[in-house]
Amino acid sequence: ETGVTQTPRHLVMGMTNKKSLKCEQHLGHNAMYWYKQSAKKPLELMFVYSLEERVENNSVPSRFSPECPNSSHLFLHLHTLQPEDSALYLCASSQAIGQGYEQYFGPGTRLTVT
Amino acid sequence: SQQGEEDPQALSIQEGENATMNCSYKTSINNLQWYRQNSGRGLVHLILIRSNEREKHSGRLRVTLDTSKKSSSLLITASRAADTASYFCATARGSGSRLTFGEGTQLTVNP
Repeated sequence: ETGVTQTPRHLVMGMTNKKSLKCEQHLGHNAMYWYKQSAKKPLELMFVYSLEERVENNSVPSRFSPECPNSSHLFLHLHTLQPEDSALYLCASSQAIGQGYEQYFGPGTRLTVT
Repeated sequence: SQQGEEDPQALSIQEGENATMNCSYKTSINNLQWYRQNSGRGLVHLILIRSNEREKHSGRLRVTLDTSKKSSSLLITASRAADTASYFCATARGSGSRLTFGEGTQLTVNP
């Protein structure tokens, strides 16, 4: 176990649904990340939080809305998704941002949008 | 091209053989990291090599870094079926928060 948990592990939702992905880290880290992993494509960084403040937002559509209530928890709220949003969504944490700290990943949420 | 490109895209070997995967990148880096991912799971950090290091070992893993050629290699010695996974390199530039991942090498170790 990496010390990063994600729930749910699998999610199927329709395009009009609203759902949330949850991530929790038990490592005392200050930085948390959301990534999207689609087949045949490199990992795409979506959001970066440092000490609960969003520090990076990589042109992600507004139908993805992150929330970081404290340094241990990170959410990704989903609304009106498209079929092309089906992917594995990975959460990660690191000691801090900057200097390329190693990242610890959760097991991911496999999202299918129908 | 992507920062951090792995080569080959897929590699199939027999148990006991060594596996070598390569990573090339385009810009200067602070460090380079290798990760492993089992099918449908999260990534697991394997090893980090800094830009002023040339070689690093961890168990059966050996990583080299050649900053003049902007390339790195990951060697897994005496491979096992359990080593079957995708392996990714990720580069960290300067003091930024971003790690840039390549598309990975799919390694299959046949028993």
